[in-house]
Amino acid sequence: NAGVTQTPKFRILKIGQSMTLQCTQDMNHNYMYWYRQDPGMGLKLIYYSVGAGITDKGEVPNGYNVSRSTTEDFPLRLELAAPSQTSVYFCASRTLAGGGNEQFFGPGTRLTVL
Amino acid sequence: DAKTTQPNSMESNEEEPVHLPCNHSTISGTDYIHWYRQLPSQGPEYVIHGLTSNVNNRMASLAIAEDRKSSTLILHRATLRDAAVYYCILGNRDDKIIFGKGTRLHILP
Repeated sequence: NAGVTQTPKFRILKIGQSMTLQCTQDMNHNYMYWYRQDPGMGLKLIYYSVGAGITDKGEVPNGYNVSRSTTEDFPLRLELAAPSQTSVYFCASRTLAGGGNEQFFGPGTRLTVL
Repeated sequence: DAKTTQPNSMESNEEEPVHLPCNHSTISGTDYIHWYRQLPSQGPEYVIHGLTSNVNNRMASLAIAEDRKSSTLILHRATLRDAAVYYCILGNRDDKIIFGKGTRLHILP
């Protein structure tokens, strides 16, 4: 299994441009998440999904959109990029099995908005 | 969401045990205690979780106080590769989990 994969690894955007960050998992996990991590800080939840067709906002959803048309894919869309969205973005997934909240993370996308 | 308190940073010598503390005095009865770590320039990695009893796995041990208001992550023999930020997080299978700033662990050779 590849686990959670993210593309691209790096991207530089100009203010006002749009882009989609891709996230795919091959573990048949129901739950998927998008986080952002600013320098020296912990992760903040942007959006999450509990299954195909179902998404919900996290702590910092403004400026982002998501969709979940399949179990495997959970893309994150930035419509009008702003410098405040410069960050590292992590996608994660987990199964419902077990009592805890064990998430598997991708390697991240480093985004710079200039 | 119940909050956790961790030291900002800790140091330990290589090949010695490391005890990383976490306080969570407002933990609810259904909250599991999770530990994740984040190596430099990588995504977070799950380490261990537990509810009431102490837990062991190949990476670490988790010691949970009897009143569940604190816990300790134990790395039995630290290596340089264990230098990372360690996050103590509360939650159950239905919750979103909230990452704080964690403890930055430095390993001295």
